[in-house]
Amino acid sequence: GIQVEQSPPDLILQEGANSTLRCNFSDSVNNLQWFHQNPWGQLINLFYIPSGTKQNGRLSATTVATERYSLLYISSSQTTDSGVYFCAVERGSTLGRLYFGRGTQLTVWP
Amino acid sequence: EAGVAQSPRYKIIEKRQSVAFWCNPISGHATLYWYQQILGQGPKLLIQFQNNGVVDDSQLPKDRFSAERLKGVDSTLKIQPAKLEDSAVYLCASSRRDRGRQETQYFGPGTRLLVL
Repeated sequence: GIQVEQSPPDLILQEGANSTLRCNFSDSVNNLQWFHQNPWGQLINLFYIPSGTKQNGRLSATTVATERYSLLYISSSQTTDSGVYFCAVERGSTLGRLYFGRGTQLTVWP
Repeated sequence: EAGVAQSPRYKIIEKRQSVAFWCNPISGHATLYWYQQILGQGPKLLIQFQNNGVVDDSQLPKDRFSAERLKGVDSTLKIQPAKLEDSAVYLCASSRRDRGRQETQYFGPGTRLLVL
């Protein structure tokens, strides 16, 4: 199957700092989603971004499909941003199946 | 619009017992997914339904796991008998997904299973 690698595995920030999370994938994909898993385990959709750049408030994401990576930017981080950020990709040959990375554990201190 | 509903939220059983989880997808969503998330890992797809038909169950351990989606709406996932390694969070997701189109998947709150 396709390999999805996320970095860094852990990130500790002070409130107000900016950060960049990276997702590399080993094969071409036709869908890429970023999720935030909050401390209660709920997976929350952040972006559906198979290519290009999108912004939503303090969050933005860029996917460069030809180079097989995606970046998630968090600006002016807040304590409520804490949790695990997952990148998940979908291949055309297995429509519907999302392949998840192991996630980036983000902790934001006040 | 209501989100994906799951129950129960928590379940503790002993090994070799049986357990069942229930999922109600977002209204109008044709496709329903069950994922297993082991602690410290990302979710892994177990089974995908489109309406009431199975699209992908290649990762489902069929000797002990079964799932159904009667009438193309609600779904149940059953484990019988449970093993210690089945301790995980079981996540249900849904999407509109027409054939061949990509769609965002929306996840429920999950059921945390602990097998003792």
